[in-house]
Amino acid sequence: QVQLQESGPGLVKPSETLSLTCTVSGGSVSSGSYYWSWIRQPPGKGLEWIGYIYYSGSTNYNPSLKSRVTISVDTSKNQFSLKLSSVTAADTAVYYCARGNWNYVYYYYYYMDVWGKGTTVTVSS
Amino acid sequence: QSVLTQPPSVSAAPGQKVTISCSGSSSNIGNNYVSWYQQLPGTAPKLLIYENNKRPSGIPDRFSGSKSGTSATLGITGLQTGDEADYYCGTWDSSLSAAGVFGGGTKLTVL
Repeated sequence: QVQLQESGPGLVKPSETLSLTCTVSGGSVSSGSYYWSWIRQPPGKGLEWIGYIYYSGSTNYNPSLKSRVTISVDTSKNQFSLKLSSVTAADTAVYYCARGNWNYVYYYYYYMDVWGKGTTVTVSS
Repeated sequence: QSVLTQPPSVSAAPGQKVTISCSGSSSNIGNNYVSWYQQLPGTAPKLLIYENNKRPSGIPDRFSGSKSGTSATLGITGLQTGDEADYYCGTWDSSLSAAGVFGGGTKLTVL
């Protein structure tokens, strides 16, 4: 059974770069079937899609975050990572990594079927 | 402001049925598949419905999904106190932005 686990600093200073890693167990990030995704949830608010990466390195990002986001994959460690630069208090959130299913068959489908437990990141000096 | 619109809250008594709506546009719900997620308090979201009306293994048939035009609906029958949670719809937006999008979430209260 595939499991995902987020890790990284829980506190980041304003203007610095937030860095998180998602470790995949019970499965492989090199699987050609999945799009490894990041989603966040500010306190008391809804879900916001950040982006995804395919094992080949192909990425897609939320346009509202695109200038600050980098998602990468390390197949040798079976991990994928998120970097968000120039953070502000508005980036304070629970960050989730998830396994995404994305494809086009007459219509696009994109859904996350396995989620990590989430990690809380606070931006504060 | 979420791309998909959901009612902030719904409520119903145990054993009853409830529906949660999700409204979008032709660039998202109107031309793509919809998924639904359940988020119990303090936990990560869990996939309930994918491709409009399919249930992952282990999801009871009390949960159902449907889509018509640019709107989708999640239905829950035989409500249980354990169903009290936040519910989110999601889909792909195939406009120029080409991104995953979610609704703002609906808080279900089982009275």
